[in-house]
Amino acid sequence: QKEVEQNSGPLSVPEGAIASLNCTYSDRGSQSFFWYRQYSGKSPELIMSIYSNGDKEDGRFTAQLNKASQYVSLLIRDSQPSDSATYLCAVNRDTGRRALTFGSGTRLQVQP
Amino acid sequence: DGGITQSPKYLFRKEGQNVTLSCEQNLNHDAMYWYRQDPGQGLRLIYYSQIVNDFQKGDIAEGYSVSREKKESFPLTVTSAQKNPTAFYLCASSMEGPKTEAFFGQGTRLTVV
Repeated sequence: QKEVEQNSGPLSVPEGAIASLNCTYSDRGSQSFFWYRQYSGKSPELIMSIYSNGDKEDGRFTAQLNKASQYVSLLIRDSQPSDSATYLCAVNRDTGRRALTFGSGTRLQVQP
Repeated sequence: DGGITQSPKYLFRKEGQNVTLSCEQNLNHDAMYWYRQDPGQGLRLIYYSQIVNDFQKGDIAEGYSVSREKKESFPLTVTSAQKNPTAFYLCASSMEGPKTEAFFGQGTRLTVV
């Protein structure tokens, strides 16, 4: 079992719709959760971080965390073609190895 | 302008050569990391360092070496022992602690010729 799992996609949504990206993790010691956006050929760019159960909103983005279910998600409202990219979920532990562990990413395509 | 600078952007290596990838940050971050990304894959951790003069192996350290002599610098050497080095190499840095955000450089694309 991979430590961080994401559906590789592509996830295709029409412009203006809500895109929902999901991520599960196996290590219950994970305490910090991050979403990165990566355009083709570029480096990852941090979008959101979340540390507590519940929702965290930032503009069109909402991160949701459920530690009991070991599940974290990213919602993108009013999706735009410029949101088309690969979205990487990353987790970090509180103790021991303190470096981000990444999922393989979900490719999002927003259709104009 | 604060940030993380990786150089070169593109690098070509002949079989049997060692090459060194540069990573410099002026964010005053304590921790630095090296990741490797293969096409269509996520990022895999090569090495990380939480403090000067100390570093730890990640998941795929074989064939790589690092040093951390200065807080702002964390160079990665890809040795001839790395059998499949063609990949996109990403350096990141963060403040110390798990609840801190990591930021990436623009990456180095290494190709074996």
